Amino acid sequence: AQSVTQLGSHVSVSEGALVLLRCNYSSSVPPYLFWYVQYPNQGLQLLLKYTTGATLVKGINGFEAEFKKSETSFHLTKPSAHMSDAAEYFCAVRKSSGDKLTFGTGTRLAVRP
Amino acid sequence: GAGVSQTPSNKVTEKGKYVELRCDPISGHTALYWYRQSLGQGPEFLIYFQGTGAADDSGLPNDRFFAVRPEGSVSTLKIQRTERGDSAVYLCASSQGARNNEQFFGPGTRLTVL
Repeated sequence: AQSVTQLGSHVSVSEGALVLLRCNYSSSVPPYLFWYVQYPNQGLQLLLKYTTGATLVKGINGFEAEFKKSETSFHLTKPSAHMSDAAEYFCAVRKSSGDKLTFGTGTRLAVRP
Repeated sequence: GAGVSQTPSNKVTEKGKYVELRCDPISGHTALYWYRQSLGQGPEFLIYFQGTGAADDSGLPNDRFFAVRPEGSVSTLKIQRTERGDSAVYLCASSQGARNNEQFFGPGTRLTVL
């Protein structure tokens, strides 16, 4: 079975500050890992994904995440927050041989002016 | 091109009633997924179609829930004898195949059972 833990249901940062959203996973097989963003009244949008290869993954809107197998983590970062980054962020895992996504409970990011 | 669309965007019903939620996937996408997102939670998998057949329905909570995809495109999620606990946002996603392909999500249908 797979699961995802997102530490911190709410994170608040100042505009221009570093964004760090934490995600830890458990998986009995090599996982594929994803970060999705959800803006109000919109569908989930893929930010980035890790499948195989380079462990540092760059995504859209300046976000990146690093897969650390030894720590079973896939934390999401952005060097400088923008007001437009305010949204809910979901980490998800999928078995490399599977299909369905297992999501964390989400982290709501607020950006202060 | 058009993304995944879901109708209705909002549905309010009374306990015990029957509801149908529709999903129109991206044209040409063979895989279709249904998820349910309760308040304050992440989406939870319900069922996955590859073509017309349900490849994995292990997430359906009970036999009141059923989904079809008769022509391998549009899918309908059907809920019988709705209960207040069924209130949630129901999300649909599609992908070109399964496995390595990105799932594109629709905006969801917000179901409220009074």
